[in-house]
Amino acid sequence: SYELTQPPSVSVSPGQTASITCSGDKLGDKYACWYQQKPGQSPVLVIYQDIKRPSGIPERFSGSNSGNTATLTISGTQAMDEADYYCQAWDSSIVVFGGGTKLTVL
Amino acid sequence: QVQLQESGPGLVKPSETLSLTCTVSGYSISSGYYWGWIRQPPGKGLEWIGSIFHTGSTYYNPSLKTVVAISVDTSKNQFSLKLSSVTAADTAVYYCANAVVDNSYYYMDVWGKGTAVTVSS
Repeated sequence: SYELTQPPSVSVSPGQTASITCSGDKLGDKYACWYQQKPGQSPVLVIYQDIKRPSGIPERFSGSNSGNTATLTISGTQAMDEADYYCQAWDSSIVVFGGGTKLTVL
Repeated sequence: QVQLQESGPGLVKPSETLSLTCTVSGYSISSGYYWGWIRQPPGKGLEWIGSIFHTGSTYYNPSLKTVVAISVDTSKNQFSLKLSSVTAADTAVYYCANAVVDNSYYYMDVWGKGTAVTVSS
């Protein structure tokens, strides 16, 4: 079965750029999306189809996907961006989630 | 604006069937989208359960396929989840969400608030 691998945690200083990776076999041949989940809240879609931002998502969130790795980049990270982030892909009619990355802003 | 709300028992006994309903407002289920279920055990990540189109076409997580059934009631603008023979491992927050699906992509852009289900005698 298809698997997506994320680092368990990433730390970033306020105002700096955070990069969260998601690795999977030939992931670049598929579309990746990303969800943000804050404690006690439902996930929120922040990137879909590799690079697109839903309405209402700040421009500091961007995505890329090539080779075996999709990356969520948060430019000028703010304290409010501290959350868990999950990547997700669609493979053989199955939804696959990465294990999640806890982003700490300190 | 699409909104989703999960409902159902918060406590289910082991070996019984977990039943949840998701009520959709602000959008007709028959107009499009897939409609799906996702769960999250306490302190763990997200697990996709499956999804359904208004025609009844379904996709299921292979690891749950033998115990899961998702159905849709367009007259009530609702879709439902049944998970049979539950164990403590099925304790989780269950979310419903709409899904934009194509041959090459699947993403969920509106989620319900989630409902916590505990499996215990």
